[in-house]
Amino acid sequence: QKEVEQNSGPLSVPEGAIASLNCTYSDRGSQSFFWYRQYSGKSPELIMFIYSNGDKEDGRFTAQLNKASQYVSLLIRDSQPSDSATYLCAVKGSGGSNYKLTFGKGTLLTVNP
Amino acid sequence: GAVVSQHPSRVICKSGTSVKIECRSLDFQATTMFWYRQFPKQSLMLMATSNEGSKATYEQGVEKDKFLINHASLTLSTLTVTSAHPEDSSFYICSALTGFDNQPQHFGDGTRLSIL
Repeated sequence: QKEVEQNSGPLSVPEGAIASLNCTYSDRGSQSFFWYRQYSGKSPELIMFIYSNGDKEDGRFTAQLNKASQYVSLLIRDSQPSDSATYLCAVKGSGGSNYKLTFGKGTLLTVNP
Repeated sequence: GAVVSQHPSRVICKSGTSVKIECRSLDFQATTMFWYRQFPKQSLMLMATSNEGSKATYEQGVEKDKFLINHASLTLSTLTVTSAHPEDSSFYICSALTGFDNQPQHFGDGTRLSIL
């Protein structure tokens, strides 16, 4: 069974600090990796996606992928209180169901003013 | 771009009622839409995959006769929860794909269903 694991947290960081969110996945054939942010009571919104090994930066966000270690992370620089939310790691599967997403349980991030 | 609209945002109804939820892609054609359910403090669980013009594919453990899915056009999929009971109370979220490659899924705003 394909699994996506995240530390549930809560992860608490002070305003202005770097928040580091981690995710591991079991399906070695996975090709696409997504980070979604979900505020309480709301639906997920896409933050970033990454396909290739290495880093991908978008503003204050950096996604890092290491397929050999089956590990993907999200760094948030200059964290703001508005970044406080649950961050969901999602992995697009391989093989016949390669359009489905498997979600981790999410990491709750709290940024303290 | 890639806006997905979901309606209604909240439903409160009596046990035994059937509830229909609509999911529309507003600025793109979605050959595939997905329906998820999320219970409090849990992650999203895929219920079914909806393909335009064909029968939906349900995940293991999801009753297809209870959760009816219709994907009649490239911009609209509907989920009907038939004869809803309190245990069906949950947050239902749809998403849509713009294509099969590595493009992300775009989510609607979700429907909070409460069955009394």
